[in-house]
Amino acid sequence: GNSVTQMEGPVTLSEEAFLTINCTYTATGYPSLFWYVQYPGEGLQLLLKATKADDKGSNKGFEATYRKETTSFHLEKGSVQVSDSAVYFCALRRGWVRGSTLGRLYFGRGTQLTVWP
Amino acid sequence: NAGVTQTPKFRVLKTGQSMTLLCAQDMNHEYMYWYRQDPGMGLRLIHYSVGEGTTAKGEVPDGYNVSRLKKQNFLLGLESAAPSQTSVYFCASNSGGGPSGELFFGEGSRLTVL
Repeated sequence: GNSVTQMEGPVTLSEEAFLTINCTYTATGYPSLFWYVQYPGEGLQLLLKATKADDKGSNKGFEATYRKETTSFHLEKGSVQVSDSAVYFCALRRGWVRGSTLGRLYFGRGTQLTVWP
Repeated sequence: NAGVTQTPKFRVLKTGQSMTLLCAQDMNHEYMYWYRQDPGMGLRLIHYSVGEGTTAKGEVPDGYNVSRLKKQNFLLGLESAAPSQTSVYFCASNSGGGPSGELFFGEGSRLTVL
């Protein structure tokens, strides 16, 4: 089946610390991988994505590399800010199968990040 | 640019009451989804639609019904609310095609069932 496992939070860091949030996946075919972010009181928004092995997605200083050999897509940022405090969700979209609901995403449980000044 | 709009944003129900959540998108997307978000559970798919007039069950469909009479609207109904349906509900949409299409979310609807 298709599933995503991400590290459980909460994660608490000081400003300018290095961030890693681990994400591993199980999928059929060749999935696309995503990180979504949810700021307090808001819906989810796409942070970055990667559609094939060895691709690196990046945005707002965050990066994640699609590692097919380890089935991982870990989120990293070199220097976090207070404004990065949010819940982060790893997600996958499975590879195309004829007749499938191509648009559907499978989400991890989310990791709460709190950054202190 | 509105994107995905959900109404109402907050609602309190008594057990056994019914209600409908409305989701509207103005991006001409084919695919629409209803998720529920519970602490420690992430997002779980309730129902989805791959086009006007179509609906399908997701992971947790029991106790909910949906309709997609117009392409831009996706309604989620609770016929007889239960306390277990207390949650935050998110609607989302995308074009569905291709491996990298972004999913666009509404701001959520917080439902409390007493």
